[in-house]
This record gives sequence, C-alpha cells and structure tokens, in this order.
Amino acid sequence: ETVMTQSPATLSVSPGERATLSCRASQSVNSNLAWYQQKPGQAPRLLIYAASTRATGIPARFSGSGSGTEFTLTISGLQSEDFALYYCQQYNNWPPRTFGQGTKVEIK
Amino acid sequence: EVQLVESGGGLVQPGGTLRLSCAASGFTFRSHWMSWVRQAPGKGLEWVANIKQDGSEKYYVDSVEGRFTISRDNAKNSLYLQMNSLRVEDTAVYYCVTSYYYDSSGYSPDGYWGPGTLVTVSS
Repeated sequence: ETVMTQSPATLSVSPGERATLSCRASQSVNSNLAWYQQKPGQAPRLLIYAASTRATGIPARFSGSGSGTEFTLTISGLQSEDFALYYCQQYNNWPPRTFGQGTKVEIK
Repeated sequence: EVQLVESGGGLVQPGGTLRLSCAASGFTFRSHWMSWVRQAPGKGLEWVANIKQDGSEKYYVDSVEGRFTISRDNAKNSLYLQMNSLRVEDTAVYYCVTSYYYDSSGYSPDGYWGPGTLVTVSS
C-alpha cells in the first residue's frame, strides 16, 4: 500500500497570504496525484489532478506541482472561502487508492 | 450538472447488514468508473471500493474485502454497496464518487462526490 503523508497537519495563514501544503508518497505515484478541498459538513471537491492540472471551475490561485513522491499545493492570495481541509490522494498504485491524513488551513 | 445522491444509511447493530444506493444523473454513467469513499466522524477520507464501467472489475480496501460488495446497474444509472457483517469501525459517512473523466483502466481521479449518507454501527 502506498502511504501518503501530508504536512503540516495545521497551517495558520493570514488572508491574502500564500499557503504551501506538502504531500509525500511512500513510493512513486508518477503524476497520478489529486488534491481535494473539504469544508465542514460538505463533500470533498476536486481541485487539482495529474499533480498540476486544475479541475473545471477552480480558480487560478490554486496550483499544484511535483511528481514521483513529492508534491505541493500552493494557494496564492488566500481568500476567506479557502480556509478548509485539504487532502491529497494517489490513484497510481491501487487498490487501494490512498489519501493523506489532511492539512487544515486556518485563519491566523 | 453532475448529481450523485446516496441513500440507505442508518443505524444498524454490529453483525448487521445494510445496502447503500447512489442515483446518478447529469453525465454518462455507463462511461465512468464509480467508487465508494467513507469518512469516519472527525477523521480523514478512506477509499472503500470501485467498479469498472461494465462491472467486470471490482476492487476493495482490505478491511472490507469479503464483507462488502460493490455493484452497478447502468440501465438505472445506479451504484450500490452491499455491506454485510458490519463492525463498529465501519461507522462513517459513505460518499458515492464518479471518476473525473473516461478512462478504461481506472487511472482517473475521483471527480464528483455526492453529499454522503451516514452509516452508524452500534448496539
């Protein structure tokens, strides 16, 4: 099983600043890596797939990078609606398709 | 607009059974891999199972293998999860999820999610 490790667990950021979230895979997942945003009481929403491609309707302030085992989600100019939980998921080595434990982006 | 609506959740005793359903609309259901993903209260996301477009391939996380069965009815645009021998640790919100784009081999991210249905296993 490919273990996904996200860091940090919690990120405190001021509105308008940049947030950088990390995701590490225990073995290569090539570029088959997705990022999801989840707000309280809601289902997750796909933000980024193929490590760096924004899903339909996702603002340009969200960007993804990386390949192999190291990945980054960057949110530039944080807006109030961006404070949420973020998960990475690999869909290269499955089953199972594994998620990271999540990073909470909170208001500083 | 893609819509996924789960139903069938509820309270069940340990060892009991439950069948979840997911009604899909707004996309060509028969062209997409479909999955179930769950989230225990206050915890992270866990992929449970997925099924190929024609139902010929099914995969499960180890913890539910042999107890859960995923199936689909393309004529009814519906996805199912039969859950037997339920355990307390199966308590979670279960999400119905579709692949983001057509890919016959299953290497598409999980694109659209339903609102989820809560399954509570407790005596």
